Amino acid sequence: DQQVKQNSPSLSVQEGRISILNCDYTNSMFDYFLWYKKYPAEGPTFLISISSIKDKNEDGRFTVFLNKSAKHLSLHIVPSQPGDSAVYFCAASGAGSARQLTFGSGTQLTVLP
Amino acid sequence: DGGITQSPKYLFRKEGQNVTLSCEQNLNHDAMYWYRQDPGQGLRLIYYSQIVNDFQKGDIAEGYSVSREKKESFPLTVTSAQKNPTAFYLCASSIVVNYEQYFGPGTRLTVT
Repeated sequence: DQQVKQNSPSLSVQEGRISILNCDYTNSMFDYFLWYKKYPAEGPTFLISISSIKDKNEDGRFTVFLNKSAKHLSLHIVPSQPGDSAVYFCAASGAGSARQLTFGSGTQLTVLP
Repeated sequence: DGGITQSPKYLFRKEGQNVTLSCEQNLNHDAMYWYRQDPGQGLRLIYYSQIVNDFQKGDIAEGYSVSREKKESFPLTVTSAQKNPTAFYLCASSIVVNYEQYFGPGTRLTVT
């Protein structure tokens, strides 16, 4: 049973436009959400996070939105750049030992020049 | 430079052999984790450790073993009991009360 779902395995966007990556979760105990970016044959790198007490967090070109009632979060990248091409993983954490992260299956973003 | 190192980057083994993957961190983090990534799937937790000499099973611990004798080191052994060992293995660490996990570069294990 996938508790964190990224239903779009891939997304292509033109350079300079907005990229919107989506993530849905089912566990209502999740209270902290993170986005990671991963290049091939490398470990994921932390991008941005949001706590359930907020509905928006912004860091430069990256903004994460959280809709708790819909159990949905999204990552907006504006403007998109070719270097943003990577796999993006959504992850969630909740009350429990070691604050384990539950990851989605990832979305491959391709930014076309 | 602080970070997490995993070695080797690529590892090849014959079926039936145990193999140990190395993970070292100099971030002074208390918690360390091992994940496995398969094509088209997210990261799945194998084992984690919150403190030296203590570790807990994750979602897919069968066929794996770990040790945590030093704060800096968390090696993972893939035993011959693991049915599908070929995968990309990622080690991570975090400050216990911090939600952000920092990942190493990964080891791609191929068993034939």
